[in-house]
Amino acid sequence: TQLLEQSPQFLSIQEGENLTVYCNSSSVFSSLQWYRQEPGEGPVLLVTVVTGGEVKKLKRLTFQFGDARKDSSLHITAAQPGDTGLYLCAGAKGGTSYGKLTFGQGTILTVHP
Amino acid sequence: GAVVSQHPSRVICKSGTSVKIECRSLDFQATTMFWYRQFPKQSLMLMATSNEGSKATYEQGVEKDKFLINHASLTLSTLTVTSAHPEDSSFYICSASLGGGNQPQHFGDGTRLSIL
Repeated sequence: TQLLEQSPQFLSIQEGENLTVYCNSSSVFSSLQWYRQEPGEGPVLLVTVVTGGEVKKLKRLTFQFGDARKDSSLHITAAQPGDTGLYLCAGAKGGTSYGKLTFGQGTILTVHP
Repeated sequence: GAVVSQHPSRVICKSGTSVKIECRSLDFQATTMFWYRQFPKQSLMLMATSNEGSKATYEQGVEKDKFLINHASLTLSTLTVTSAHPEDSSFYICSASLGGGNQPQHFGDGTRLSIL
């Protein structure tokens, strides 16, 4: 059972377009992290959101944590070819979980010049 | 900060060989380290959680005798794939965390294991 549903799984767009990736769950997370991974490399942390309703911006990337801390979204404005990669959301339960993360299925983003 | 080094980056070996992969936190002490397996164009699949000085906790379906994990210090964890077979070929990634619920995980660059 996948506890964190990430969509879409594949996204192919033209440079300059906007896009949104969603992560949804029926479970409450104490925090949610977004990572970007390039082929042959490990995931790189983009952001951690902790508070329900929180919005964080990282240049053209906007991350939002749902009010109930069950869902999150990543919005990219004016996508560029350099944004191409695998985007992963991951939720943490907190408490005694030792930081164990539940990962979404991932979104493979391809931005064409 | 928060650099995790994983070695080797690529291994090609014959079936039946045991392979050891190292994961080091270079600039912080990692109370907890995680080992993942990743298939092409898919998400990460957690194999086990290791805490320094104690036995690793394996996820359901992961053979602990096949994938030996040692976390002897706060900066080093090792994963040994014993008697590897072609079906063990995969991308293995480690991550390190300061521990605690909301601490982010910092990932190594992965090890591409190919068993001939």
